[in-house]
Amino acid sequence: DTGVSQNPRHKITKRGQNVTFRCDPISEHNRLYWYRQTLGQGPEFLTYFQNEAQLEKSRLLSDRFSAERPKGSFSTLEIQRTEQGDSAMYLCASSSPADSGPSTEAFFGQGTRLTVV
Amino acid sequence: RKEVEQDPGPFNVPEGATVAFNCTYSNSASQSFFWYRQDCRKEPKLLMSVYSSGNEDGRFTAQLNRASQYISLLIRDSKLSDSATYLCVVDNQGGKLIFGQGTELSVKP
Repeated sequence: DTGVSQNPRHKITKRGQNVTFRCDPISEHNRLYWYRQTLGQGPEFLTYFQNEAQLEKSRLLSDRFSAERPKGSFSTLEIQRTEQGDSAMYLCASSSPADSGPSTEAFFGQGTRLTVV
Repeated sequence: RKEVEQDPGPFNVPEGATVAFNCTYSNSASQSFFWYRQDCRKEPKLLMSVYSSGNEDGRFTAQLNRASQYISLLIRDSKLSDSATYLCVVDNQGGKLIFGQGTELSVKP
């Protein structure tokens, strides 16, 4: 399967613990996005990368959230000191627009469902 | 004002009906526009891109009005299998893709 892969698919954690999610984009896709989605809402933008550079992080995101894409391939999203409000589906997507070109179709992984208890 | 806003749902329509979804966006410099479909508990998937001249794919027609910063999706001859949430997506300049809150469609027999 050469689609976007996310691990783990499900994560249950206790409040206050740290969690890390991984996303493997489609090979050679230079752009990678992270979104958060709760029931009945559209995906909420968290952050995105062009190759290894993090271009923007949502102002709504607290300092407990951090993302990396060290070699421009896979990415990790870490949430420190989790809170119950962090419970959501975390979606990763990748695309391959030309540098500084308009966005192209983004392909999504199946997501990581986080439950904070 | 939200960056991307969609019609509130849900839309409940009978099979065979024509249904239209609307979406407005706030950034006049946006260059790319898409409609995605999301089934329950699944990831979003591209339904169609939206081009300046409007485009059609079978029963689906997308329109873009840059002057009014407005996008639409028309579904003709609705099928039961069209039941899903439809998401309007806009490139908010610089490559950041912003999603609307989604409009749920339920097609009934």
